[in-house]
Amino acid sequence: QSVLTQPPSVSGAPGQRVTISCTGSSSNIGADYDVHWYQQLPGTAPKLLIYGNTYRPSGVPDRFSGSKSGTSASLAITGLQAEDEADYYCQSYDSSLSVLFGGGTKLTVL
Amino acid sequence: EVQLVESGGGLVQPGGSLRLSCAASGFTFSSDWMSWVRQAPGKGLEWVANIRQDGSEKYYVDSVKGRFTVSRDNANNSLYLQMTSLRAEDTAVYYCARLKVAGYPYCYFDLWGRGTLVTVSS
Repeated sequence: QSVLTQPPSVSGAPGQRVTISCTGSSSNIGADYDVHWYQQLPGTAPKLLIYGNTYRPSGVPDRFSGSKSGTSASLAITGLQAEDEADYYCQSYDSSLSVLFGGGTKLTVL
Repeated sequence: EVQLVESGGGLVQPGGSLRLSCAASGFTFSSDWMSWVRQAPGKGLEWVANIRQDGSEKYYVDSVKGRFTVSRDNANNSLYLQMTSLRAEDTAVYYCARLKVAGYPYCYFDLWGRGTLVTVSS
């Protein structure tokens, strides 16, 4: 059971918008620690998708966006494409001195 | 090319030891924090350890404290993870990752290796 809670799966049709939530607590996200997001395509290493809650690294399409409020954060993907089918992980830090990952969300493009 | 390449994984018996290595290239290794992150088969990501640029600060997940040791050799652009007293639950792909730090612990992993598989089994 991860300290950062993500839905196990989400799905959407091509062109649609989907969101993935990441819920924490007052000792991590709510303690003003940043949230970051990673995309892991099947059989590959994770890739940084969003850092510092809302920033996209160079090369990441602007279809991907992040937000944070209170003890939660969200990743939104618009204009869904088949190539977006992957596992997505949120990451933050906890006052217990641990770097945390969410349990991961599998995105299926219908 | 900026990259991280892990090596040293394999099959080890419970209670055994293994040393993982990570070779960095294409960036100034000595200027960056580095980390190990693992992923058990079919499971999610789990942070394992962080090490500061000069090795003066090290942090570990509770489950490996006292058993794993992270170290680095800046002269050879290499990161290591010495693993002892290995358990079945340590079975995972171990990723080397560069840690971007905007004042610890505000940090994220911006570069990942392909990983090396460690299997703990008799």
